[in-house]
Amino acid sequence: KAGVTQTPRYLIKTRGQQVTLSCSPISGHRSVSWYQQTPGQGLQFLFEYFSETQRNKGNFPGRFSGRQFSNSRSEMNVSTLELGDSALYLCASSRPGVNTGELFFGEGSRLTVL
Amino acid sequence: GQQVMQIPQYQHVQEGEDFTTYCNSSTTLSNIQWYKQRPGGHPVFLIQLVKSGEVKKQKRLTFQFGEAKKNSSLHITATQTTDVGTYFCAGPGGATNKLIFGTGTLLAVQP
Repeated sequence: KAGVTQTPRYLIKTRGQQVTLSCSPISGHRSVSWYQQTPGQGLQFLFEYFSETQRNKGNFPGRFSGRQFSNSRSEMNVSTLELGDSALYLCASSRPGVNTGELFFGEGSRLTVL
Repeated sequence: GQQVMQIPQYQHVQEGEDFTTYCNSSTTLSNIQWYKQRPGGHPVFLIQLVKSGEVKKQKRLTFQFGEAKKNSSLHITATQTTDVGTYFCAGPGGATNKLIFGTGTLLAVQP
């Protein structure tokens, strides 16, 4: 069974640009969560999607947005990039019908903003 | 908002020594999960504890959930170099039950 797949794995952007990250969950998993990981702030929750609906949202500005498609694949978008957005963005999926159960993380997308 | 703190932030041990990391939540948790993240890797689920006072073992790893369900610990006996990484605890928090991760403990093991 394939794991959570995130693309791209690495990317470099400049301030003011926008970026879209993609996440394909484990087959059969309908919940997808996104986390931002930085050395200073640790793992910060961005948002969670379930059946194409945003179920939870963390304390991030509106520049951070996401969506989920009918096949459970998810994308997150960051507009007007700032230097502080440089981070590892992790996507995680969980089994259906399991609330706050085990999260299966992808390898992450490492974003560098110059 | 809810906070989950871990101590220590960093621990350096000699191979064969024991290691313990402690996790403390500002609110009562319905369950606690532990994850390990190897350097350059992604968090990997280790275990979930649900009951007050619960103790679970995985080979050299012992996990404990506090009686008040606000704290937890992970103890590694006789560390090995393969134990290197950051250990995170995580618990559901807020009205929407999203998983909140602790600050993490980075374990370095010197052979």
